[in-house]
Amino acid sequence: QSVLTQPPSVSAAPGQKVTISCSGSSSNIGNDYVSWYQQFPGTAPKLLLYDNNKRPSGIPDRFSGSKSGTSATLGITGLQTGDEADYYCGTWDSSLSAVVFGGGTKLTVL
Amino acid sequence: QVQLQESGPRLVKPSETLSLTCIVSGGSISNYYWSWIRQPPGKGLEWIGHIYYSGSTTYNPSLKSRVTISIDTSKTQFSLKLRSVTAADTAVYYCVQLPHYWGQGTLVTVSS
Repeated sequence: QSVLTQPPSVSAAPGQKVTISCSGSSSNIGNDYVSWYQQFPGTAPKLLLYDNNKRPSGIPDRFSGSKSGTSATLGITGLQTGDEADYYCGTWDSSLSAVVFGGGTKLTVL
Repeated sequence: QVQLQESGPRLVKPSETLSLTCIVSGGSISNYYWSWIRQPPGKGLEWIGHIYYSGSTTYNPSLKSRVTISIDTSKTQFSLKLRSVTAADTAVYYCVQLPHYWGQGTLVTVSS
């Protein structure tokens, strides 16, 4: 089982907003920055957000991130069918001395 | 823009050693951590370990006994060796400069 907990799937209609949660503990999310990745089938994960809420160049501001305590949240507004993908959160775990990821969330845009 | 490219055998026999190399281009290999991450078919991401440009390594505790990551800064490349592989090690293997840059990944199948 994954150290970070994400819902297996979320869905919403085009144009709507969706949030994806990532729950951890004081040794990981509570102690370090969180990154979010987007992955389409057959391709490598792509960085969406780093340091909890920073967007790399080229990532639209429809994608946002937040962190509170031992949980982090990815928000996507103005959903498009092209946003259908798997989303992963990740961070450093100081107790394990390892990078840890959530199990991934499949986003369906209905 | 940093680019990473994995290379190595795509088919490995059970009990043998999986060996992959990642060539880094478009940026410096110095002053960064370089990771290997894998993803079994249909499953999530698993961090294998990382190496600092100085050669210091940290491994996933679940794989530590079987993993070695090394680096050759003169060739701007780093490598992964995973010993005593089984079918459970079949996965797409990515070389990564977390969090920003990912290789395209290479599927390694463990099978006789």
